[in-house]
Amino acid sequence: QLQLQESGPALVKPLETLALTCAVSGGSISSSDSYWGWVRQPPGRGLEWIATVYYDGRTSYNPSLRSRATISVDTTTDHFSLRMRSMTAADTAVYFCGRMTTETFFDYWGQGRLVTVSS
Amino acid sequence: QSALTQAPSASGAPGHRVTISCSGTNSNIGSNYVYWYQQLPGTAPKLLLYRNDQRPSGVPGRFSGSKSGTSASLAISGLRSEDEADYYCAGWDDSLRNWVFGGGTKLTVL
Repeated sequence: QLQLQESGPALVKPLETLALTCAVSGGSISSSDSYWGWVRQPPGRGLEWIATVYYDGRTSYNPSLRSRATISVDTTTDHFSLRMRSMTAADTAVYFCGRMTTETFFDYWGQGRLVTVSS
Repeated sequence: QSALTQAPSASGAPGHRVTISCSGTNSNIGSNYVYWYQQLPGTAPKLLLYRNDQRPSGVPGRFSGSKSGTSASLAISGLRSEDEADYYCAGWDDSLRNWVFGGGTKLTVL
């Protein structure tokens, strides 16, 4: 059974860079039919797709976040990561990592990591 | 403002059927697949339907989906108390070059 687990800071100061990692287990991050990505959800609000990466490094970004977000993959450790620069209070959210396939949008999700932006 | 529009709330009595709608445009629902998610409080979303009406293994047949033009619907029959959750539609938008979500519908089982 595929499992994903987010890790990273719970608190980030304004204008700092957020760095989150997602560990993939129970399957290979190099699977040819899988894409890996991030979705976030501000408290009490809806879902927003951030970015997706393929095992060969190809990426896709939400146009509204492209200038601040960087997604990357490490096939040697079965991890993928998200960096988001210049964080503000508006970026306070639960950040979920997940898997997409050629068949479907996110089908496996991590439990989520609440990131609060505050001084 | 979400690219996909959902009513903020819906309700139904146990055992009854409820339908949750998702309205979009030609650039998203009108030309691409729709996906539906269920989110219980404090948990990650769970994929309920993919490619408009396909159920992943483990999702009960009480959940069904349909799409017509630029709108899609999720139907839940035989409502149970455990169906009380937020439901989101999602899909790709060709114009925005973006995966988009609906704003979510909070389902209350009366």
